Amino acid sequence: GQNIDQPTEMTATEGAIVQINCTYQTSGFNGLFWYQQHAGEAPTFLSYNVLDGLEEKGRFSSFLSRSKGYSYLLLKELQMKDSASYLCAVMSKEYGNKLVFGAGTILRVKS
Amino acid sequence: ETGVTQTPRHLVMGMTNKKSLKCEQHLGHNAMYWYKQSAKKPLELMFVYSLEERVENNSVPSRFSPECPNSSHLFLHLHTLQPEDSALYLCASSQDMVGTSDEQFFGPGTRLTVL
Repeated sequence: GQNIDQPTEMTATEGAIVQINCTYQTSGFNGLFWYQQHAGEAPTFLSYNVLDGLEEKGRFSSFLSRSKGYSYLLLKELQMKDSASYLCAVMSKEYGNKLVFGAGTILRVKS
Repeated sequence: ETGVTQTPRHLVMGMTNKKSLKCEQHLGHNAMYWYKQSAKKPLELMFVYSLEERVENNSVPSRFSPECPNSSHLFLHLHTLQPEDSALYLCASSQDMVGTSDEQFFGPGTRLTVL
């Protein structure tokens, strides 16, 4: 998506912690979503941030800094099943309040 | 059936064929979407329907024609496609149209190959 950047690929070890970053440039920001997509499957919702700070949900946390145009998804106690693509999506007035997705980060968890 | 379902899961068609993709949501949502996902490219929004009315057409070629007969069903009619249209086509739904924090629920997608 336009002006939404994520690393293409990351590799981490089972049991470790990994942080997937997403930067964006837009006007009229209205929220940022993270989705998980396993190969050949539908994207599934992980988190939504609209205010600055950290949202924690079990092993997954998502952080937002609106002034920096920056978010990250933090995955703790990595499991093999966490190997997937992680999609960052931004909603803003500039995009007509529709979701615009980044290209996704493929995470590979190795034992 | 629960959630969002799509049929067929896989489709191979020639450039002169006419086919349709079907999406059904069992969540009582008011908004439905078609997305295109090509390899190593971001999800691209194609069409948005809210309460059965099309509210978004993201400059999609006319060889793709959506239809929303009711709030639970969404179709994508395909004709005279090109090989570059080969992709995963995802349907999604949300309680209301975007602009809210409503998450979108995605179907499993139709893997389309155009020969």
